[in-house]
Amino acid sequence: AQSVTQLGSHVSVSEGALVLLRCNYSSSVPPYLFWYVQYPNQGLQLLLKYTTGATLVKGINGFEAEFKKSETSFHLTKPSAHMSDAAEYFCAVRGDSGGYQKVTFGIGTKLQVIP
Amino acid sequence: DSGVTQTPKHLITATGQRVTLRCSPRSGDLSVYWYQQSLDQGLQFLIHYYNGEERAKGNILERFSAQQFPDLHSELNLSSLELGDSALYFCASSEGRGSYNEQFFGPGTRLTVL
Repeated sequence: AQSVTQLGSHVSVSEGALVLLRCNYSSSVPPYLFWYVQYPNQGLQLLLKYTTGATLVKGINGFEAEFKKSETSFHLTKPSAHMSDAAEYFCAVRGDSGGYQKVTFGIGTKLQVIP
Repeated sequence: DSGVTQTPKHLITATGQRVTLRCSPRSGDLSVYWYQQSLDQGLQFLIHYYNGEERAKGNILERFSAQQFPDLHSELNLSSLELGDSALYFCASSEGRGSYNEQFFGPGTRLTVL
């Protein structure tokens, strides 16, 4: 089984400030981890993913995430928030469910960027 | 634009009715997934089809069913609709049979049950 916990359903940051969105996971198999972004009235779009190899993963729009196995975390960061980053962000983990490797999504974190 | 299309964009219907949501995957993608997104439940996986065959079921109610056709488009059928079925329904597609491949999401169908 697998699960994802996103701490904070709503996060507010000032424009230009650091963005930190937290994600902790559990998985019975080596995890693949994903961050997706959903802009208003749109579907989800992949920001970045970790499968194997380098633990610091860079994605689109200046976002990056670090896989920390010891902490079972995959937090998403961006050094400087932009107004266009306002969206909902979903962390997801690949896990095993009765022999089927499925992706489980977190509840989502809405990011508000304050001018 | 992800390349995944969903119709209709919006659907308003009454309790007890039946509706069909349609999804066309990206060109070349053999897997189609359906998700339900609601405020209280978040994004819930419903079902996964690969090349016409059901691969896995998630939290899909018995009143709901899906299929994937030879041309790879998929339909999600929702029957005996209840108020609680009001939600955004997303379709996603990916290349391979594993659901851990990158999934490309459509724009969604917003279903409102009155």
